[in-house]
Amino acid sequence: QQPVQSPQAVILREGEDAVINCSSSKALYSVHWYRQKHGEAPVFLMILLKGGEQKGHEKISASFNEKKQQSSLYLTASQLSYSGTYFCGTETTVGNEKLTFGTGTRLTIIP
Amino acid sequence: DAGVIQSPRHEVTEMGQEVTLRCKPISGHDYLFWYRQTMMRGLELLIYFNNNVPIDDSGMPEDRFSAKMPNASFSTLKIQPSEPRDSAVYFCASSPRTGGPLTEAFFGQGTRLTVV
Repeated sequence: QQPVQSPQAVILREGEDAVINCSSSKALYSVHWYRQKHGEAPVFLMILLKGGEQKGHEKISASFNEKKQQSSLYLTASQLSYSGTYFCGTETTVGNEKLTFGTGTRLTIIP
Repeated sequence: DAGVIQSPRHEVTEMGQEVTLRCKPISGHDYLFWYRQTMMRGLELLIYFNNNVPIDDSGMPEDRFSAKMPNASFSTLKIQPSEPRDSAVYFCASSPRTGGPLTEAFFGQGTRLTVV
């Protein structure tokens, strides 16, 4: 089942913050975040496994809610290099190594 | 390691022709995934393999699509006959085995397929 991402697109000025959400109707085993720049392959950012988990570093971080049905990606003080499409990928059950991606959020950073 | 290698990078073919996309995963990775990316549908999982065995092919659109992994270092995705609606970027990705959840998936550069 495909996770739902929001917003579909966002435009920010350099230095502004953004939040991208990923939600599922069922509890998830894990959630993965990837970034894809135009014309390139998706690149792994991070994976979250535990309800209530937060990880990442100061500028790019993510959280996984207690029910393990929603994850958010936080981009702080955005830089031009953050532009791209962000995807969340989800595994729904233990032992089913099927990584299903959301439809993506296109992030554009302008100077 | 050179990463996941896909070939060709670009393919233009006429409707009705057979198309074969190739993928060499990262050595030692047990999982191999084939994805299709379009503007309308995003990244769709077509099929994935574990230790060369197809595990889930529920995302394969129809019988015109088939995938094989004859050994740990090679996989193919074949479309026969091809149709204009198959035009998309096809990605292959591989991931190491952990015994737990999937870890990082490493994507190839993709094959941009255009069927005219």
